[in-house]
Amino acid sequence: GQQVMQIPQYQHVQEGEDFTTYCNSSTTLSNIQWYKQRPGGHPVFLIQLVKSGEVKKQKRLTFQFGEAKKNSSLHITATQTTDVGTYFCAGRDNYGQNFVFGPGTRLSVLP
Amino acid sequence: GAVVSQHPSRVICKSGTSVKIECRSLDFQATTMFWYRQFPKQSLMLMATSNEGSKATYEQGVEKDKFLINHASLTLSTLTVTSAHPEDSSFYICSASRGALNTEAFFGQGTRLTVV
Repeated sequence: GQQVMQIPQYQHVQEGEDFTTYCNSSTTLSNIQWYKQRPGGHPVFLIQLVKSGEVKKQKRLTFQFGEAKKNSSLHITATQTTDVGTYFCAGRDNYGQNFVFGPGTRLSVLP
Repeated sequence: GAVVSQHPSRVICKSGTSVKIECRSLDFQATTMFWYRQFPKQSLMLMATSNEGSKATYEQGVEKDKFLINHASLTLSTLTVTSAHPEDSSFYICSASRGALNTEAFFGQGTRLTVV
C-alpha cells in the first residue's frame, strides 16, 4: 500500500537557524497537505499543494511539491521558538483510495 | 470564529462497552466533518469523512461497523466506538469544515479514549 515517509524524524535547531523537513511518498499523490501540531495540542492545517512543482510561501515557511508529485518539502527560515512542534505531511494517492499521513518531523528550537 | 469542540476530552471505559464521542462546530455550520485517530507519539490516521445527512465515507481498513459515525446536523457529528477493546485506546480527533474539503477544516481538541 501507499507509504509516506518523512525525514528527519527529529530536528533540534538554534533559534534563528533554518529548518527543512522532507516528505516522500511511495506513490504519486493528487495533492500534498502539511499540518503542524504543537506538543499536547491538536493539528492545525497549514497548506495544500496540488500542482507539480508548485511552491507556496507563508511568511517564513516555504512549501514545495515535487515535479513527480511524490515528494514535498517544508522549509522554515530563521526559526523561532513558536515554530516548535511536529510537522506532518499528508496526501491522497492518485487513485483516490488512501489518504495517508507521514510520521512527522518533531522540531525543537533552542532559544 | 471557527471553534470546534469535542466531548468528552477524556474517557475510560471497560472492554466490551461502547463509547460515543461528540464533535460540535460552535460558531459555524459544518457541511463536512472528519474523524482522525492518533496513537501516542505517532502520526494521524484519517478514519472517515462524514457529510451532514448522509452516510460516512470510510478510509480503507477502517471498520465501519466498529466505528459508527453519525452526522445528524450541521453542527454535530458523533463517533461511536462499539464493543471497545484495549487496542481501540487512542486519541480521536475531529475536524469540521464549512465546505467539502479538509483544507478548510478546523480541529477539535481531541478525545483520549482508554479501554480497560
